[in-house]
This record gives sequence, structure tokens and C-alpha cells, in this order.
Amino acid sequence: SQQGEEDPQALSIQEGENATMNCSYKTSINNLQWYRQNSGRGLVHLILIRSNEREKHSGRLRVTLDTSKKSSSLLITASRAADTASYFCATDDRGGSNYKLTFGKGTLLTVNP
Amino acid sequence: SAVISQKPSRDICQRGTSLTIQCQVDSQVTMMFWYRQQPGQSLTLIATANQGSEATYESGFVIDKFPISRPNLTFSTLTVSNMSPEDSSIYLCSVGRSRETQYFGPGTRLLVL
Repeated sequence: SQQGEEDPQALSIQEGENATMNCSYKTSINNLQWYRQNSGRGLVHLILIRSNEREKHSGRLRVTLDTSKKSSSLLITASRAADTASYFCATDDRGGSNYKLTFGKGTLLTVNP
Repeated sequence: SAVISQKPSRDICQRGTSLTIQCQVDSQVTMMFWYRQQPGQSLTLIATANQGSEATYESGFVIDKFPISRPNLTFSTLTVSNMSPEDSSIYLCSVGRSRETQYFGPGTRLLVL
């Protein structure tokens, strides 16, 4: 079953603006990851945040995790047209079988030049 | 990281036929997974491909429909059997070495007529 629920389902912004996507989940987790998918191709791993971490940065990406609210956000700063893609959160559930990830429904981000 | 290739990249098949998708990794990995992504949807785990033993299937997926082989630590196949138009999806393999990041192949786009 799908655990993560991304919000919004679709987001359209202008180049240079920031984009924020949210993800909620239901069970306790070991970690939460964000992936990007360009136009129905394979997924690219962006960033992982562990359950004992609250914030993590990687380049123009900033991820936060609030385990009390069971939610995470992905912020892309100074967006570029090349950031246009679908973004998925995925959780590694605490107590679940090793390595199994559960993916959310995704946010389709469109960055207009 | 890992470099993963899938064959074929895309195919158009007639209903009632079967298609075998291959996944090759450039190095030995512990776990390999097969996902399905239906049009406009998120990823759903079909099964975990276990080397030397039968695959572990998720709820809603059965071996007769999706037989999987894993003859060694770098290769796996997924067969979509007795296809119907509802099987039209992107099929992705992924690999994981630890309880964290998974790396995805480019996917196989399947259209069943």
C-alpha cells in the first residue's frame, strides 16, 4: 500500500522561484528519501534523511523531517527548467522487511523558463 | 552507486503473450527489486528478487503472472505473462546494498494492445 502522500500533486512555477513539496506518511520509519523522475524514466536518488535527523541540505535541496507529524518537505531553491520532473518521497518503514521502500504518489513539478 | 541497464527499453505486445525484461547491474548487489508504475501513478513494489531462492511477492502479485529469476548477484529477469492492456506500465528494477538508497534502472515501457 502507498504510505507517502505528496502534496501538492502538481506545482507550476517560474524559473528562479523556490519549490516546496510535502510528504506525509503513516507508520514509524527508519528513513525517508526523495527521488526525481524525468518524464517516465528511471528514478534518481536525491537525498535521504534519517529518522533522528530534522534537516538536511544538498546543493539547492533542503529536506526537513518532522517525525511527530509524520511529514517531510523538499525545498528546491532557485529552480531551473531542468528541475521539471516528478518528485517522489519513499519511506523505509521501521519494523518492515529490510530494504523495502514504500513510495508516495508524487508531485509533478513544472518550472517555466 | 550502481549502473543498471534494462532490456528492452520499450515494447508493444499483443494481449495473451508474455514478455521477459532483463536487469543487469555492473557490480554484485545483495537485493534486487521489481516495481511497476502504471500510467500517471507512483511505483508499486512487485517483488524482491532473491538470489538462489524464490522471489518474495507483495500482496496482489503472484508468481504465475510475474515469474522472476535471479541466477546471480548481478542479473535478474521479470516476465509479464499472459498480458492484458491493464499490464501496460513502466517496469523498473532497482538494487540496494544497504537499508538505505536504492538505485533504479531506466525502466521498460510496455504497451499491451
